[in-house]
Amino acid sequence: GQSLEQPSEVTAVEGAIVQINCTYQTSGFYGLSWYQQHDGGAPTFLSYNGLDGLEETGRFSSFLSRSDSYGYLLLQELQMKDSASYFCAVGADNYGQNFVFGPGTRLSVLP
Amino acid sequence: DSGVTQTPKHLITATGQRVTLRCSPRSGDLSVYWYQQSLDQGLQFLIQYYNGEERAKGNILERFSAQQFPDLHSELNLSSLELGDSALYFCASSVGSGSTYEQYFGPGTRLTVT
Repeated sequence: GQSLEQPSEVTAVEGAIVQINCTYQTSGFYGLSWYQQHDGGAPTFLSYNGLDGLEETGRFSSFLSRSDSYGYLLLQELQMKDSASYFCAVGADNYGQNFVFGPGTRLSVLP
Repeated sequence: DSGVTQTPKHLITATGQRVTLRCSPRSGDLSVYWYQQSLDQGLQFLIQYYNGEERAKGNILERFSAQQFPDLHSELNLSSLELGDSALYFCASSVGSGSTYEQYFGPGTRLTVT
């Protein structure tokens, strides 16, 4: 089977740093992606890791360790607007894009 | 605004009925993906089309079918509807086919089966 695990909820205060972890077990692996979804909205792409290491995009960074089947999303200088659900997703093959999404982590940013 | 459009926004229908959801990808995108999101199942990949051909299949029921037309818009057909099919259905598009390509999601169609 294919499965991804994420914490269900995370709470932090404005200005803080938060890390959302994702572990995966999939039959194939062609990269780890992160998506953000606000309540009532559509998922929006945040980042992609195809190789081990850290990718930085503004306040957001994403890390991947393929040997550990593990990745994380790091959000810095948290803002109220960052309150949303965050999903990791694995592309299980590279011919098509058989995507498996994690269950999502609900981030609440408090003032 | 992602540039992906989906119609209708809301759909209410009865069990046993058939509905068609429509998706227009971003200009220039060749891949279209369909996802189902429900409270208990999370975001489930259903199927992907690339330039008119089926490319990948996920957890799509046999009662569901999809196609991508020459103008690249796509339709998802859901038949013999059951209460459990009530969910938010998203369409997404990307330039290419492969895990490195960012997917752009449409606003979704909320289906309610009564």
